[in-house]
Amino acid sequence: KNQVEQSPQSLIILEGKNCTLQCNYTVSPFSNLRWYKQDTGRGPVSLTIMTFSENTKSNGRYTATLDADTKQSSLHITASQLSDSASYICVVSRLRFSSGSARQLTFGSGTQLTVLP
Amino acid sequence: AAGVIQSPRHLIKEKRETATLKCYPIPRHDTVYWYQQGPGQDPQFLISFYEKMQSDKGSIPDRFSAQQFSDYHSELNMSSLELGDSALYFCASSLYEGYTFGSGTRLTVV
Repeated sequence: KNQVEQSPQSLIILEGKNCTLQCNYTVSPFSNLRWYKQDTGRGPVSLTIMTFSENTKSNGRYTATLDADTKQSSLHITASQLSDSASYICVVSRLRFSSGSARQLTFGSGTQLTVLP
Repeated sequence: AAGVIQSPRHLIKEKRETATLKCYPIPRHDTVYWYQQGPGQDPQFLISFYEKMQSDKGSIPDRFSAQQFSDYHSELNMSSLELGDSALYFCASSLYEGYTFGSGTRLTVV
């Protein structure tokens, strides 16, 4: 079964601190992995995208890693800000070898991050 | 840069009514996906379209239908609404690996 599991489920940190979120997946065949930030009541906003051959990718204060062998990814947030409070979702894309090449995404349940002043 | 546009942003309907949600993908994106996200729930894949043809189907109820038009915008039609249909509905568009999500339509059924 294609699954994406995230940990921790929720995390509270103080402003300025760093944190790391984890994502384990069993999706196959693997196409790519994305980390999204989702504010309450809004659609997910892409932070990073990583394909099979990429190990690390940064986007400002966000750094994602991918270990395709162990099927694990992490999202590291440095110098957290109050605006970082949101749900962070790991989304893995699976290749579908069908007409139209449509791909289906498997969502993790997210990590709810709260940054306190 | 243009994003995925969804309308309306909020919608309130009564039970048994009909609702139509619209999604305008990023220009030149060839695939549109619809998702339903209940409060505190993971997004659930409903249906997708590739080049105006239905390409994949998820947990979309028979009361719902969707289509993609010649200008690539998509509409999700929901009939006989139930209280449990209250959720955030968002669409995503993609071209190869470039998935982008819209901000969603918040549907409340009362």
